[in-house]
Amino acid sequence: EDKVVQSPLSLVVHEGDTVTLNCSYEVTNFRSLLWYKQEKKAPTFLFMLTSSGIEKKSGRLSSILDKKELFSILNITATQTGDSAVYLCAVGYNQGGKLIFGQGTELSVKP
Amino acid sequence: EPEVTQTPSHQVTQMGQEVILRCVPISNHLYFYWYRQILGQKVEFLVSFYNNEISEKSEIFDDQFSVERPDGSNFTLKIRSTKLEDSAMYFCASSEQLGRGEAFFGQGTRLTVV
Repeated sequence: EDKVVQSPLSLVVHEGDTVTLNCSYEVTNFRSLLWYKQEKKAPTFLFMLTSSGIEKKSGRLSSILDKKELFSILNITATQTGDSAVYLCAVGYNQGGKLIFGQGTELSVKP
Repeated sequence: EPEVTQTPSHQVTQMGQEVILRCVPISNHLYFYWYRQILGQKVEFLVSFYNNEISEKSEIFDDQFSVERPDGSNFTLKIRSTKLEDSAMYFCASSEQLGRGEAFFGQGTRLTVV
């Protein structure tokens, strides 16, 4: 059965800390891995990764994919209270647009 | 910035009633999806829709569910006879291309079945 597993499930840090969120997957016909940020309601798109070893970066956030070891990490440097959210990892298939999601990592950044 | 919009934001319905959840996808997108998230659980795929027909559906999407694109802008999810376990947040999403996976999500409709 295809699955996406995230760790840790929750994390509490202080402002300024750097965090690393993990996502591993076992999916047939893998096409892409996506990271979303979910604050209360809609998941908002962060990154899509399709190639191994190429870092994607947006401000203090960055992400990389390892297709050999079947995992991805999301790094957030110099965390701020506004980074508090649930971070979702999802995998897309080669055929079709379906995404399967991990259970999310709840990040709480304390002042 | 273009966004997916969903209405209503919250719907309370009695068990056995029919509900219709509405979505307006991003205008140049061609692929539409419904997902749901039961409180405290994962986001789960329900159905994908393209060219006026269902492309793929999950085991959750049984005969009580249906989707429709009644006009050029709206995309609806109908639940024919709601059950308590249908209580969840329902997200509509759309993407420009199939399989790219870069889906953009609406704010969701919280459905509460009592």
